[in-house]
Amino acid sequence: GAVVSQHPSWVICKSGTSVKIECRSLDFQATTMFWYRQFPKQSLMLMATSNEGSKATYEQGVEKDKFLINHASLTLSTLTVTSAHPEDSSFYICSASHDDRVWAHTDTQYFGPGTRLTVL
Amino acid sequence: KQEVTQIPAALSVPEGENLVLNCSFTDSAIYNLQWFRQDPGKGLTSLLLIQSSQREQTSGRLNASLDKSSGRSTLYIAASQPGDSATYLCAVMNYGGSQGNLIFGKGTKLSVKP
Repeated sequence: GAVVSQHPSWVICKSGTSVKIECRSLDFQATTMFWYRQFPKQSLMLMATSNEGSKATYEQGVEKDKFLINHASLTLSTLTVTSAHPEDSSFYICSASHDDRVWAHTDTQYFGPGTRLTVL
Repeated sequence: KQEVTQIPAALSVPEGENLVLNCSFTDSAIYNLQWFRQDPGKGLTSLLLIQSSQREQTSGRLNASLDKSSGRSTLYIAASQPGDSATYLCAVMNYGGSQGNLIFGKGTKLSVKP
């Protein structure tokens, strides 16, 4: 159980276009989903936290108008990179948590396989 | 600001060896600490989660310890196998800040030679 999928697994796009990445919890309902970004040989950095049905909370330094997050259902969150530029090229990973236990800091996060974005 | 450091950055060992990976963190006010495994181009697999009140957790050949007061954790891998080759990430969950925010180290890239 606790499987999280991402689609696509990799994408190459031209500068200035928008790219949508999907994150799905396949066998559980995820009240909370997280989006991380990982640059080569760097740590994963949290970009935003999303709760189903409400606006995402963005980390400092992450542009909310550039990285649009929608968490429309308990099994799906999407990240849209708008007007992508080469510096947005990175590995984007989502994670999901079963329920509100994450707020009690006792639940674990289940990670998706990641999406490799390359902007030309 | 919490910072997580992992040493060494890379490690190569022959099959069968026991090994220790190190993780240190600057702020001891944490809820928990997790060790993850990441295979190339893949997502993360949670290996062990240690709550702040715990000293260690074990799963199969893996044992993780936590010394919160000194800001250190170790991951011990017994009788290493080629299939253990991966990058191992340490992450802490802080008090304060974003709820559920995991702060990661850069990882230790492990290579186990047959």
